[in-house]
Amino acid sequence: GAGVSQTPSNKVTEKGKYVELRCDPISGHTALYWYRQSLGQGPEFLIYFQGTGAADDSGLPNDRFFAVRPEGSVSTLKIQRTERGDSAVYLCASSLTAGTGDTGELFFGEGSRLTVL
Amino acid sequence: DQQVKQNSPSLSVQEGRISILNCDYTNSMFDYFLWYKKYPAEGPTFLISISSIKDKNEDGRFTVFLNKSAKHLSLHIVPSQPGDSAVYFCAASGDITDKLIFGTGTRLQVFP
Repeated sequence: GAGVSQTPSNKVTEKGKYVELRCDPISGHTALYWYRQSLGQGPEFLIYFQGTGAADDSGLPNDRFFAVRPEGSVSTLKIQRTERGDSAVYLCASSLTAGTGDTGELFFGEGSRLTVL
Repeated sequence: DQQVKQNSPSLSVQEGRISILNCDYTNSMFDYFLWYKKYPAEGPTFLISISSIKDKNEDGRFTVFLNKSAKHLSLHIVPSQPGDSAVYFCAASGDITDKLIFGTGTRLQVFP
C-alpha cells in the first residue's frame, strides 16, 4: 500500500495477556518508529529502528515491551503480561532516512488502539 | 518532565480569522521543530517544520515562527478554514537524525 499500515486497528485484551501489534512501513523507508499515545497526551516515543537494528529503544517503559524488525521492513511490537495502564493508541511511523530527514516528515499509520480490561 | 509544552488544550477561531497555536520547550539542545496535524482516527500528518538557524518558515496559509531565546515557537494559520479543525502537535528533535519529542496537542476548532 501507499501508506503505513498497522494491524489490528483495535485490540481488546485481558490483563496479563500477550499482545502483538504489527506495522508495515512505506516501501523503501529504512527508518521505523513506534510511539504510544495515551488519552489527552501527545505521542510518546518508544523505539526507533534503522534497518533491522534498534537504534534507540530508550522509550520502552519496561522489559514487558519488545519490538523486532527482522528483515528491515515489517515491525512487530510485543507486549507481555499486559496491564491496564498499557491501554493507548500505538502509532507506527516510517521515514525514508534516519531521523526527521530534510523536511522533518515522519509518515504515521492510523494506529492500533489497545484496550486492556 | 515535559520537554515540549502546549499550554492551551483548545482554541476556537472564526473562519477567515487567524489561528495562533503556541508551543514552548525546555531543552536548549533542540535544533529542529515541527508541527503535525491529527484528525480523529487518523495518524498525525506533517504540516511544517523549521530549523534553529531560521526564525520563520512559511508554506501557504501556514507560518511557523521560532524564538530561540525564549524557547518558544508558534504556528499561524491565516485565513483559518473549517477543514483546519484538528489537533495540532508541536514536536522537537535534537538534530536531524534524532527522535521527535511531542507536545500534548492543541485542539483547534474553526467555526463558520
